[in-house]
Amino acid sequence: TQLLEQSPQFLSIQEGENLTVYCNSSSVFSSLQWYRQEPGEGPVLLVTVVTGGEVKKLKRLTFQFGDARKDSSLHITAAQPGDTGLYLCAGAWTGANNLFFGTGTRLTVIP
Amino acid sequence: GAGVSQTPSNKVTEKGKYVELRCDPISGHTALYWYRQSLGQGPEFLIYFQGTGAADDSGLPNDRFFAVRPEGSVSTLKIQRTERGDSAVYLCASSSKGGRSNEQFFGPGTRLTVL
Repeated sequence: TQLLEQSPQFLSIQEGENLTVYCNSSSVFSSLQWYRQEPGEGPVLLVTVVTGGEVKKLKRLTFQFGDARKDSSLHITAAQPGDTGLYLCAGAWTGANNLFFGTGTRLTVIP
Repeated sequence: GAGVSQTPSNKVTEKGKYVELRCDPISGHTALYWYRQSLGQGPEFLIYFQGTGAADDSGLPNDRFFAVRPEGSVSTLKIQRTERGDSAVYLCASSSKGGRSNEQFFGPGTRLTVL
């Protein structure tokens, strides 16, 4: 059972377009992380958000943590082929040591 | 410096066989995690080590799965009597401290295929 649901599951867009990926849960998390994973490699951390309503920017990527700390979004502006990959959100609960990963969004940016 | 390494990168075995998967964490990292990622899914937690001890093994699916970290560095995930449903990518991660918000650095994974 996945505690975190991501949508869309698959996304194929043209270079230069904008996109948003969603991560939703019925559970409240103390922090949430976003990872990108490329084929044959492990996930690589992009950002950690810990405060409800927090917004973080990483170049063309904007991450937001929901006010209730149950959901998050990742917005990419002017997508590039190098953004292609599997985007994973992962939540952590207070007192827990491990991460709970979402189902993932597989993004393909077509040149 | 070197990242997390895992060996082998691919392992094909037959149903019922025993396998060992190895993880070399980043030097100095005290926390080590094992996850399993099935096709089309996100990683699922298996076990967490802080130093030599398994601090949390609640994610191990059954008693066929076991992991050790005898010297607080390298870890081995052991699977007995493998089943076809064990086929997945097994990921190892390490961090400088345990706990929820500390960045976990992942290895490339071992792809296990049980025929």
